[in-house]
This record gives sequence, C-alpha cells and structure tokens, in this order.
Amino acid sequence: EADIYQTPRYLVIGTGKKITLECSQTMGHDKMYWYQQDPGMELHLIHYSYGVNSTEKGDLSSESTVSRIRTEHFPLTLESARPSHTSQYLCASSVRLAGDQETQYFGPGTRLLVL
Amino acid sequence: KNQVEQSPQSLIILEGKNCTLQCNYTVSPFSNLRWYKQDTGRGPVSLTIMTFSENTKSNGRYTATLDADTKQSSLHITASQLSDSASYICVVSDRGSTLGRLYFGRGTQLTVWP
Repeated sequence: EADIYQTPRYLVIGTGKKITLECSQTMGHDKMYWYQQDPGMELHLIHYSYGVNSTEKGDLSSESTVSRIRTEHFPLTLESARPSHTSQYLCASSVRLAGDQETQYFGPGTRLLVL
Repeated sequence: KNQVEQSPQSLIILEGKNCTLQCNYTVSPFSNLRWYKQDTGRGPVSLTIMTFSENTKSNGRYTATLDADTKQSSLHITASQLSDSASYICVVSDRGSTLGRLYFGRGTQLTVWP
C-alpha cells in the first residue's frame, strides 16, 4: 500500500478564502502530481513536479499554485476560492518500476466544497 | 485527438457473476495501458499495466487484455464480489517523457448487488 497522504479529506469554505491542500509521501518519490476530478468525469492534471524546486502546470488551466520545497511535500494553494473550484483533488507520486514502467500511487483525495 | 473511451458508463451485476469492461483509445504513440480501481471517495489504485507487447495480464480475479492493433483493451472480472463495486478507470500513456502523458477515461461505474 502506498504511503501518500492528503489533508484535509473534506473541506467546506466560503468564497474568497485562501486554502492550502496538503500532500505528503514517505516513499522518496521524485515525481508528484495534482489532479482534479469532478464526479463521473476523468482526472485532469493541474500541476506536477519532477523534484525539489521543480513545478509545472498541467493540462487543465487552474488558478491554484503549488510548491516543492521538500521531496516529500507538495502542497496546493488557492489564493481566493470560488464555487467553480468545488471538486475532488487527488495527489499522486510515481516511481519507475522494472522494465522502465512508471506507476503512480494516489492519495485518498480532498473533497472541496466552496459556498 | 488523443482520447480514451470507456464502456459501459455504468454496470450493475449480481454477486458471483462475471463482467467485462471495455476501453478504446486513439492515443498515439502508445506506451502502455493501465487499469485502475477507484472506490468512492478514494484515490485510484493500480490493477494492471500492459505494454505494447503484452496481450493479457492477470491480477487475481482481474484479467486485462490488450489489442494494440485495434487499440482496444478489456478488463474481465471473474466471480464478482460486493467489494468490486467501484469505478474502473482506463489510462493510456504515450511515449513522451519518462512517464509519458497520461490520458484518462471517465471510468465505468460497477455496482455489484448481493
């Protein structure tokens, strides 16, 4: 079982608030990712990192920002939450397996509701 | 356009029955195809990973097949259990960076009834 954690699991906040979703992994993986997933829809990559001090935007435009100061920690911040940010946010990390195949391990997700 | 389409969108079966989920993709170039299981309110968990040269791979009661020529994959679940109720997601990776870009299907929502 993967050691990747997300907090909080559930969050209800008002419009305009600043929030930070936490993600940490204890596996020493260099690569980490943030996905957004609406109910019944596919995962969309919003940010990723290949290592400390490396962050990139993903495929889906997002008003969030990320930082990677430590290998194990990849927090996502929304400066001013809006109802359109209501979604599930999944954090993942990856490692290369034998045969040059990388596999991702996902955290349990944070369900965000912005009122 | 690179896409991953899954069918059916949802499926209800009785406990103990078998079922097969389908995944068609147009991703090119192709690196590998993964099936994930996602329980409600949880993150996806990898079931199988198949490369171009692999036709079938099993993980317990889960058997995935891949036809790279027709760009189709299936996930067969044998002797279903109540705990199999989940969303099953097909993910295809292209041969880009080391991980490749991942293309996610919307998943098939499987419900197993007693």
